[in-house]
Amino acid sequence: AQTVTQSQPEMSVQEAETVTLSCTYDTSESDYYLFWYKQPPSRQMILVIRQEAYKQQNATENRFSVNFQKAAKSFSLKISDSQLGDAAMYFCARAPYTGTASKLTFGTGTRLQVTL
Amino acid sequence: EPEVTQTPSHQVTQMGQEVILRCVPISNHLYFYWYRQILGQKVEFLVSFYNNEISEKSEIFDDQFSVERPDGSNFTLKIRSTKLEDSAMYFCASSEWSTGEKLFFGSGTQLSVL
Repeated sequence: AQTVTQSQPEMSVQEAETVTLSCTYDTSESDYYLFWYKQPPSRQMILVIRQEAYKQQNATENRFSVNFQKAAKSFSLKISDSQLGDAAMYFCARAPYTGTASKLTFGTGTRLQVTL
Repeated sequence: EPEVTQTPSHQVTQMGQEVILRCVPISNHLYFYWYRQILGQKVEFLVSFYNNEISEKSEIFDDQFSVERPDGSNFTLKIRSTKLEDSAMYFCASSEWSTGEKLFFGSGTQLSVL
């Protein structure tokens, strides 16, 4: 089974500080896509950032960046200058490179708390 | 930004009843999906749909489940005879293209089977 593992069920960060959420995955493919999704209390899934495995450069989106280590099969999310609105459940996900649809395999999630 | 719309937001049903969950994907998207999330667990893929047919389905998507795009805008998930274990949040999603594309998720339908 091609699994996605998030080993931190909960994390806490102070406002304006930086936090890193961990994600590892298991795959036999050489090319694939990786994602971080945010799920606030409204439970809607919102894409935070996307990484193509064939690209060595780490993706960034404003305060969000990833540390993609392909050999280690690691894909961590760094949130800089944390804001209260960042409090949510964060899911790491993987999708295959080939196929007819974007089938995501999700991790179990990390609940991020942001404190004043 | 365009949105995926799901109705109803909450659905309560008796075990054994049929339910239909409705979704309006983003208008120019070609790929449609259903995912579900049992409370406290991870989000799981159910099915993908393209060109009016199922392109992939998971082992969860058994004969009790079906999907349909009855007209040019709606995308539905039918559960023929609900079980207690079908209680979950069901998310519809759509994407413009296929593999690796950004999925736009709806706000979900919370299904409670009593």
